[in-house]
Amino acid sequence: GQNIDQPTEMTATEGAIVQINCTYQTSGFNGLFWYQQHAGEAPTFLSYNVLDGLEEKGRFSSFLSRSKGYSYLLLKELQMKDSASYLCAVRDGDYKLSFGAGTTVTVRA
Amino acid sequence: ETGVTQTPRHLVMGMTNKKSLKCEQHLGHNAMYWYKQSAKKPLELMFVYSLEERVENNSVPSRFSPECPNSSHLFLHLHTLQPEDSALYLCASSLDASGTGGTYEQYFGPGTRLTVT
Repeated sequence: GQNIDQPTEMTATEGAIVQINCTYQTSGFNGLFWYQQHAGEAPTFLSYNVLDGLEEKGRFSSFLSRSKGYSYLLLKELQMKDSASYLCAVRDGDYKLSFGAGTTVTVRA
Repeated sequence: ETGVTQTPRHLVMGMTNKKSLKCEQHLGHNAMYWYKQSAKKPLELMFVYSLEERVENNSVPSRFSPECPNSSHLFLHLHTLQPEDSALYLCASSLDASGTGGTYEQYFGPGTRLTVT
């Protein structure tokens, strides 16, 4: 089966940096995605990594190490609106996307 | 506006009822998906359709029956459900079901909150 682990909850202060780690053990690997989901809303795409290294997109960056089965999402200059659940997902075949349970990030003033 | 709409947004049904969930995407995508999201659990992929052909059925009980009449519409027909089927059902679409990078990025609808009594 697929195993994707990420912390359940994290809390940080407005303006700070938070790093959400994701480790995975899957039968295949065709890329890793990060999604953001606000309470009661649909998940929205944040980033995609298929090669090792760092992908930067404004305040958000995502890192991948395929040999270690590890990724992280880095959120910089945190804003209150960043309070949400962050989902790590691995594409482990042609069609299938397997998700972690999500990390709830709470940003405090 | 995400480009993917779902109706109804909320549904309460008894275990003997039959109901259908509807999803429509306005993005010109070729692939559509059904997911189940239960509290504190990972999103579970249920079905994948590519160009109206079902390409993935993730061991879903037969009381859930999908239908994809065209590439813009996806239905999930429900019958004789159990209370443990209560969850948020999310529809998603992507340009392609297989392929690299951006063509696989999935766009989600707002979901249908289903309660089985």
